Amino acid sequence: ELKVEQNPLFLSMQEGKNYTIYCNYSTTSDRLYWYRQDPGKSLESLFVLLSNGAVKQEGRLMASLDTKARLSTLHITAAVHDLSATYFCAVALSRSNYQLIWGAGTKLIIKP
Amino acid sequence: DAEITQSPRHKITETGRQVTLACHQTWNHNNMFWYRQDLGHGLRLIHYSYGVHDTNKGEVSDGYSVSRSNTEDLPLTLESAASSQTSVYFCASSEGTGGLREKLFFGSGTQLSVL
Repeated sequence: ELKVEQNPLFLSMQEGKNYTIYCNYSTTSDRLYWYRQDPGKSLESLFVLLSNGAVKQEGRLMASLDTKARLSTLHITAAVHDLSATYFCAVALSRSNYQLIWGAGTKLIIKP
Repeated sequence: DAEITQSPRHKITETGRQVTLACHQTWNHNNMFWYRQDLGHGLRLIHYSYGVHDTNKGEVSDGYSVSRSNTEDLPLTLESAASSQTSVYFCASSEGTGGLREKLFFGSGTQLSVL
């Protein structure tokens, strides 16, 4: 059974600081997603990572995937208040199976 | 622009009533999914469909049903609403082709309260 664990589940940080959110999964998978959710809103796709060593960057966010360690990281550089949100990782059961198993989410609060 | 819409946005119902939540997408996507979101659980898959007349159970399907009669719609029915089904429900769709373009597009969600 595929399980996905995120940590931390809650993170409060100051603007300008760097931090990393971790996503561990329990069985082999070759497709991992990061999503963002603002309070009371829907989910927005940030990154799709397909292969070992994949790295994607968008602004102050950078995601990477290590399939051998079954680990993905979402790194925040020089955080700004607008990045406050809940971040989810989700892992596909397989390349041909479109079901996703979701982490519990990391609530990120960035203080001015 | 293509979109995915859910209705209603908010619904209050009583225990034992049948409730149907609507989901309509204009992406022409093959795949459609229903999730529920509860604090501390992330998203949990209720039902999903990979095409017209195809439906499958997810990890928390008990008490829910879906049908897919066309590409655009996947309504979710709660046969006899229970208080444990109070939650936020999200519908999502994806192309179904795999690869980097294979990502979920989500509706705005339905807040359902069962009293």
